[in-house]
Amino acid sequence: KQEVTQIPAALSVPEGENLVLNCSFTDSAIYNLQWFRQDPGKGLTSLLLIQSSQREQTSGRLNASLDKSSGRSTLYIAASQPGDSATYLCAVGNTGKLIFGQGTTLQVKP
Amino acid sequence: KAGVTQTPRYLIKTRGQQVTLSCSPISGHRSVSWYQQTPGQGLQFLFEYFSETQRNKGNFPGRFSGRQFSNSRSEMNVSTLELGDSALYLCASSLVQPMNTEAFFGQGTRLTVV
Repeated sequence: KQEVTQIPAALSVPEGENLVLNCSFTDSAIYNLQWFRQDPGKGLTSLLLIQSSQREQTSGRLNASLDKSSGRSTLYIAASQPGDSATYLCAVGNTGKLIFGQGTTLQVKP
Repeated sequence: KAGVTQTPRYLIKTRGQQVTLSCSPISGHRSVSWYQQTPGQGLQFLFEYFSETQRNKGNFPGRFSGRQFSNSRSEMNVSTLELGDSALYLCASSLVQPMNTEAFFGQGTRLTVV
């Protein structure tokens, strides 16, 4: 049974810092891995999608990597801003559904 | 290009009642998935529909059901509501399947059961 874990559960950093969010999964047989952002009470916004054959994807200040063999993905956020404050969720595509981690709640202080 | 639209945004229902939630996917997307989000359990998969057929189902009781129409719009129904059904219900649409194409989510329907 696929399990997805995100560490840390919460993170508080000063504005301008570079930071890394971690996601691990137990079964390497995944189709893809997707990172989402969720603001309080809102839906999920897709940030990056990494196919199983890819090693990383970049979008603006965001970079996500995928290492299937070790069951790990990281989301790197460069030069963090207060507007980056949100909950970040990773999800693996597996057997017809997305399996989500519990998320990392990020607070970027001005 | 319009995103995923979920209606209504908020609902308050009484225990024992039933409720129907609606999801309109992105134009051209044929796969619609439903998820339940609660503080304790996080995001859990309910079911997925493609071309009006349920292809995958999560581990939820039979009180939770859904359907998809020929225009890819989907509805989910919860009968005999329980207090524990209070949650944010999210719908996601994908071109083909959520496991190998990007999934886009709606804003969700916040269901409160009293």
